Amino acid sequence: DTLMTQSPATLSLSPGDRVTLSCRASQSVGSNLAWYQQRPGQSPRLLISGASTRATGVPARFSGGGSGTEFTLTISSLQSEDFGLYYCQQYVNWPWTFGQGTKVEIK
Amino acid sequence: QVQLVQSGAEVKKPGSSVKVSCRASGGSFTNYGFSWVRQAPGQGLEWMGGIVALYFTPMYAQNYEGRVTITADESTNTVFMELSSLKFDDTAIYYCAREFDTTSRFFDYWGQGTLVTVSS
Repeated sequence: DTLMTQSPATLSLSPGDRVTLSCRASQSVGSNLAWYQQRPGQSPRLLISGASTRATGVPARFSGGGSGTEFTLTISSLQSEDFGLYYCQQYVNWPWTFGQGTKVEIK
Repeated sequence: QVQLVQSGAEVKKPGSSVKVSCRASGGSFTNYGFSWVRQAPGQGLEWMGGIVALYFTPMYAQNYEGRVTITADESTNTVFMELSSLKFDDTAIYYCAREFDTTSRFFDYWGQGTLVTVSS
């Protein structure tokens, strides 16, 4: 299986901060990488697919980058509604696998 | 718009089975794949398996092979996930999710989740 490793596990930040989350794959996934946001008590929500394509309705402050085995999700200026969990997922190597998540919390 | 509505919470005893449904509305059913993803308390997301409605051919993660059965009913636009031989650590929220398409298998729509509690 393709192991997805996210770092850091937790980030404590303030509104307005710029944040970069990392996701590393144990083998190449090309650009077949998605990012999801999960707010407390809610279902996951697609943010990014194809490593860098924002989903419909996702604000421009979210951007994704990378290819192969190294990926990033950047939030240019944290808003209050951005605090929560973020997961990456690869969808090229069966079975599809998720990272363990990064929690973005209010400092 | 596309909506995935799942069945309600369940409490089951160890060794029994649970069947969770997910009804899709607002879009084509047969052209898409649907997956089941589970989230144990305080844990991350884990893909269990999925089905492409057009082909009715399920795929299962190795961890669940032999215990999970995923089916689809085209007449009601509903996908089902049955998990058997339940254990205490099967307690989790189970999500259904629609795959973007059959070649890009990320999840663009998610159900609201179904809490399954395994308790004696």
